[in-house]
Amino acid sequence: DGGITQSPKYLFRKEGQNVTLSCEQNLNHDAMYWYRQDPGQGLRLIYYSQIVNDFQKGDIAEGYSVSREKKESFPLTVTSAQKNPTAFYLCASSIKRKGNEQFFGPGTRLTVL
Amino acid sequence: GENVEQHPSTLSVQEGDSAVIKCTYSDSASNYFPWYKQELGKRPQLIIDIRSNVGEKKDQRIAVTLNKTAKHFSLHITETQPEDSAVYFCAASTSGGSYIPTFGRGTSLIVHP
Repeated sequence: DGGITQSPKYLFRKEGQNVTLSCEQNLNHDAMYWYRQDPGQGLRLIYYSQIVNDFQKGDIAEGYSVSREKKESFPLTVTSAQKNPTAFYLCASSIKRKGNEQFFGPGTRLTVL
Repeated sequence: GENVEQHPSTLSVQEGDSAVIKCTYSDSASNYFPWYKQELGKRPQLIIDIRSNVGEKKDQRIAVTLNKTAKHFSLHITETQPEDSAVYFCAASTSGGSYIPTFGRGTSLIVHP
């Protein structure tokens, strides 16, 4: 289970506040991803990054922002523009030469109060 | 883009029975098909995968079959045990490159003792 970590495990936010979720990996993976998981919705892609200093929007990027200043780190900011941010957030990483097997972090459960 | 449909959304079996989960995909360029298991409150983890150059792959009690012509693949679990209870996700992607995996919505498998 080691290699990719997320913090915090639980996060509470008041409406109108921005909040940043941390994701770190020491697997030397090139690609990193952020997913949102809601009951019955599966894994929906928010943002992904294939290389440092570059990232792309996924299917549900509105209200979120990311950065990729280091290979090991891919933080996600949930902004006040996200209308329904309460969800379970999963970070993942992968390397290309083994196909696209993804290694997931333990997740952060965000609750907006 | 790719579209992955997964059925059923919920599957309830008795211990010792077999379970089958099916997925279809739309993009004929997809050639890597992983299956992830997510236990309650935990991260998804890869349990088995298959590439388009093979039709079937087995690992103890689990197997995956692929029909590229029909664009569908299935997960088979034999002799189910209570610890198999989890949400299972299928995905489709290309191996390597910058293609992002597309996930199905998940199947909640419940194994009754």
